Amino acid sequence: AQTVTQSQPEMSVQEAETVTLSCTYDTSESDYYLFWYKQPPSRQMILVIRQEAYKQQNATENRFSVNFQKAAKSFSLKISDSQLGDAAMYFCAYRRGGATNKLIFGTGTLLAVQP
Amino acid sequence: DAGVTQSPTHLIKTRGQQVTLRCSPKSGHDTVSWYQQALGQGPQFIFQYYEEEERQRGNFPDRFSGHQFPNYSSELNVNALLLGDSALYLCASSLGLAEYSYNEQFFGPGTRLTVL
Repeated sequence: AQTVTQSQPEMSVQEAETVTLSCTYDTSESDYYLFWYKQPPSRQMILVIRQEAYKQQNATENRFSVNFQKAAKSFSLKISDSQLGDAAMYFCAYRRGGATNKLIFGTGTLLAVQP
Repeated sequence: DAGVTQSPTHLIKTRGQQVTLRCSPKSGHDTVSWYQQALGQGPQFIFQYYEEEERQRGNFPDRFSGHQFPNYSSELNVNALLLGDSALYLCASSLGLAEYSYNEQFFGPGTRLTVL
């Protein structure tokens, strides 16, 4: 069975600084996707960034980038130039390839941004 | 373009009762998935509906059932409510089952269910 582990329940960062959130996963599949979702207090889950397992290049979306280490099964999220609006719960998620939409989530990391 | 909508926003029930939660997918989407998010936890996959059929199911008892209508909207029904069913229930929609490509899922704001 696939599992996703986030070992940092809470993190804090100063505004304009950089923070890295950690995620490890376990799978025997070769075709899969990894995601970072943001859940603000409004509760609506928002996709931040995704990574296809077959792609060697790390995904980047503006201030958000990932460090995908496939052999180590590690998938960390780096937020640069942190903003107050980045404060939220961040979830790492896994989805195997094929005809499924089932996401397996980690337990989340609560990110606080200090002004 | 309306995103995923869910109703009601909040719901309070007592043990043993039954509840129905509703979800309207994002315009153009035909696949709906339901997740249960207990307090302080990540969402857990309940099941997924496509073409009005349950296509995949997570590790949830038969008390959890669902339905998808011809307009792609969906309902989640929970019978014989337990205290442990208290959670945020999230609906996510997407286009198709994406067998050969990636299809983004869009989440609704959720329904907060409290069982007393």
